[in-house]
Amino acid sequence: QSVLTQPPSVSAAPGQKVTISCSGSSSNIGSNFVSWYQQLPGTAPRLLVYENYKRPSGIPDRFSGSKSGTSATLGITGLQTGDEADYYCGTWDSSLSAGFFGTGTKVTVL
Amino acid sequence: EVQLVQSGAEVKKPGESLKISCEGSGYSFTSYWIGWVRQMPGKGLEWMGIINPGDSDTRYSPSFQGQVTISADKSIRTAYLQWSSLKASDSAMYYCVRHEVFSTLEMFWGQGTMVTVSS
Repeated sequence: QSVLTQPPSVSAAPGQKVTISCSGSSSNIGSNFVSWYQQLPGTAPRLLVYENYKRPSGIPDRFSGSKSGTSATLGITGLQTGDEADYYCGTWDSSLSAGFFGTGTKVTVL
Repeated sequence: EVQLVQSGAEVKKPGESLKISCEGSGYSFTSYWIGWVRQMPGKGLEWMGIINPGDSDTRYSPSFQGQVTISADKSIRTAYLQWSSLKASDSAMYYCVRHEVFSTLEMFWGQGTMVTVSS
């Protein structure tokens, strides 16, 4: 069971925008950096966002991250069919001294 | 080039033991914590635990404490995940990860090792 909650699925038409929420608590999101991952079928996860909003080199600016209090959000603009994947948030929990992933969100491009 | 190269797929029977490996290259092996992530078939990512290869300081997720053992041999730049008695429910893909910063989940990933436990 994860301490981070995400919606099971979100969907939108090509070119539109989706947002994925990640809800936690003061001991995890509230006091630590959040990362976001994209996992395409049959592949290892790819880092999209780290330290709440920073993007690794090579990640397009269509992907954006933010954090407020005990929640974080991943936004994807200009949705493309290639964005169909599972997305996970992840952070550290200071009380448990352990890492946690969110429950995962499947993005569908209509 | 930074690489984490994991050992190959395993097929085991319930009750057997297993140790899978992850060799790091292209960076200072003792400068980064190495962790393991489980993904059961069709399910989400689960963070299992983490080790400092420099001094073998290890932390486990509460869900995995006592279920697996994480270790490392810095002389051969390799981290390990082991089970003493496998169960069918251990069947999963296991990823080795390098934590870019301790206490974040900003991680570099290995290719994964598939473990199948079946009688």
